[in-house]
Amino acid sequence: NAGVTQTPKFHILKIGQSMTLQCTQDMNHNYMYWYRQDPGMGLKLIYYSVGAGITDKGEVPNGYNVSRSTTEDFPLRLELAAPSQTSVYFCASRATGAIETQYFGPGTRLLVL
Amino acid sequence: AQSVAQPEDQVNVAEGNPLTVKCTYSVSGNPYLFWYVQYPNRGLQFLLKYITGDNLVKGSYGFEAEFNKSQTSFHLKKPSALVSDSALYFCAVRDQTGGFKTIFGAGTRLFVKA
Repeated sequence: NAGVTQTPKFHILKIGQSMTLQCTQDMNHNYMYWYRQDPGMGLKLIYYSVGAGITDKGEVPNGYNVSRSTTEDFPLRLELAAPSQTSVYFCASRATGAIETQYFGPGTRLLVL
Repeated sequence: AQSVAQPEDQVNVAEGNPLTVKCTYSVSGNPYLFWYVQYPNRGLQFLLKYITGDNLVKGSYGFEAEFNKSQTSFHLKKPSALVSDSALYFCAVRDQTGGFKTIFGAGTRLFVKA
């Protein structure tokens, strides 16, 4: 199993541009998450999904959108990028069940200039 | 509302000495508690979790954590630190009622000096 994969690893985006961060997991997990990590701020939840076709907002959803058309994929869309969206983005997944552990992807480092 | 506090931004320890990384939590019900480690330019890796039962939980790489319900704490410990333990450590909590969300602390950077 590859686990959770994310692309790209690094990207520079101009202010006002849009892009999609890709996340794929091959563990057949129902739950998937997008976090952003800013220095000294820990992880903030952007969006999450409990299954294909079901998504919900986390703590910091503004400026982002998600979709979940399949169990495997959970892309994160940035519309009209702003410098405040410069961050490291992590995708995670876990199996159903409150005791289950989250598995994280390697992250995407995004710089908005 | 759920919350996690890691009161120390950084912990400095000499190699071979015991280490403790502190974590306190707040949930409305009973908690599931987790520790993750992050090495530079990598995603978070699972270390250990508390579900129920013994208050002392053993995990990967010789780490263990002690659950204290009365103090709402879940401190991470290791008897003898290694330089390779230097990393960023995150405590996380999830409510046992089946919440979808896991709340992470801000992280504590552990620096082990040779």
